[in-house]
Amino acid sequence: GAVVSQHPSRVICKSGTSVKIECRSLDFQATTMFWYRQFPKQSLMLMATSNEGSKATYEQGVEKDKFLINHASLTLSTLTVTSAHPEDSSFYICSARDLGGQQPQHFGDGTRLSIL
Amino acid sequence: GQNIDQPTEMTATEGAIVQINCTYQTSGFNGLFWYQQHAGEAPTFLSYNVLDGLEEKGRFSSFLSRSKGYSYLLLKELQMKDSASYLCAVLDSNYQLIWGAGTKLIKSQ
Repeated sequence: GAVVSQHPSRVICKSGTSVKIECRSLDFQATTMFWYRQFPKQSLMLMATSNEGSKATYEQGVEKDKFLINHASLTLSTLTVTSAHPEDSSFYICSARDLGGQQPQHFGDGTRLSIL
Repeated sequence: GQNIDQPTEMTATEGAIVQINCTYQTSGFNGLFWYQQHAGEAPTFLSYNVLDGLEEKGRFSSFLSRSKGYSYLLLKELQMKDSASYLCAVLDSNYQLIWGAGTKLIKSQ
């Protein structure tokens, strides 16, 4: 089945650091990738939709200058949390969808970000 | 607005049959997905329904009624490893996935 690789799986760093998370579709081309955030015991919250070769579409309330998204190829999207603060600590999950709107989203393993 | 409703939590014993319901009101419909999410892990895809009826896949089955805006996920012969959250999500007319809050399935003794 479709495989999505997300790296790193865990990051612990100091406040003010910028953190980059990579999301790769390993065996399919993904024109669209999605970035989610999930706080403990809460549902997935879509942050942004990443489109290959164009600007990402951010959900309301998500700061685009804080969460930089780049989708430079059909298999790679990156999320950079700039100048991270403790309130940015969360579980970040990417997903990718094969060509065709009705294909299921396949998720990476997630990145647990802890800002001290 | 768009809305997905599913119970917050359910409890069942090992070997039991569990039905997790999901009702939705969305702008358009292009299919309904069920995902399983274990604590601390990312969701994994379970099933996709776009036509009315029952889709069976091993111990898991998913049912859809588009006229009622209703789906359920049926788990048979419940096992320890099935303790997880089950997420219902609907693809709307813009092919955007609308997520339910998830149902936490707890195995009781």
